[in-house]
Amino acid sequence: QQPVQSPQAVILREGEDAVINCSSSKALYSVHWYRQKHGEAPVFLMILLKGGEQKGHEKISASFNEKKQQSSLYLTASQLSYSGTYFCGTGSLPSNNDMRFGAGTRLTVKP
Amino acid sequence: GAVVSQHPSRVICKSGTSVKIECRSLDFQATTMFWYRQFPKQSLMLMATSNEGSKATYEQGVEKDKFLINHASLTLSTLTVTSAHPEDSSFYICSAKRPVGGTDTQYFGPGTRLTVL
Repeated sequence: QQPVQSPQAVILREGEDAVINCSSSKALYSVHWYRQKHGEAPVFLMILLKGGEQKGHEKISASFNEKKQQSSLYLTASQLSYSGTYFCGTGSLPSNNDMRFGAGTRLTVKP
Repeated sequence: GAVVSQHPSRVICKSGTSVKIECRSLDFQATTMFWYRQFPKQSLMLMATSNEGSKATYEQGVEKDKFLINHASLTLSTLTVTSAHPEDSSFYICSAKRPVGGTDTQYFGPGTRLTVL
């Protein structure tokens, strides 16, 4: 079952912050975040395992609330290069063979 | 990071012909690879899970005889679209599973844009 992402689209000015949410109706083992540029394949950003941990990648970080079956991706002081579509992938098994992707959040950063 | 290649990157073919797409993990071995299809501005829809040395597992609604998957080695999986029709035109992306931080994640290939005339 696909996770639900929100918002569908975000437009920011350079330097502004954004939060992208991902929620699932199933108990989750892991959440994976990817960014896809137009016409390219998704690029892996980070993975979060159950336990409520938070991770960071440059100025992009994420949290995972296992009890709420939700994850949030935080983009701070956004740069033009952050533009793209962000997908969360969620899996309920340690093998992650059941991973499914959300519909994506289109982020546009303007000068 | 892990590198996954796909070939070809673009292919245009006539209706009724078959097209083979290769997916290779270049710097790691992948016992499991995945094939996705993506329509413009939409999400990644899983078509099948490719397991090295065994039959692929197809998602509901995906025709096994139309989308043939072969995972003959730990670094190569192929998807063959047989008797392609215009409705098969799409962006096909493969991914390879690799251990990261105590679990596995997927690294994606660059994708193949298929256009069936």
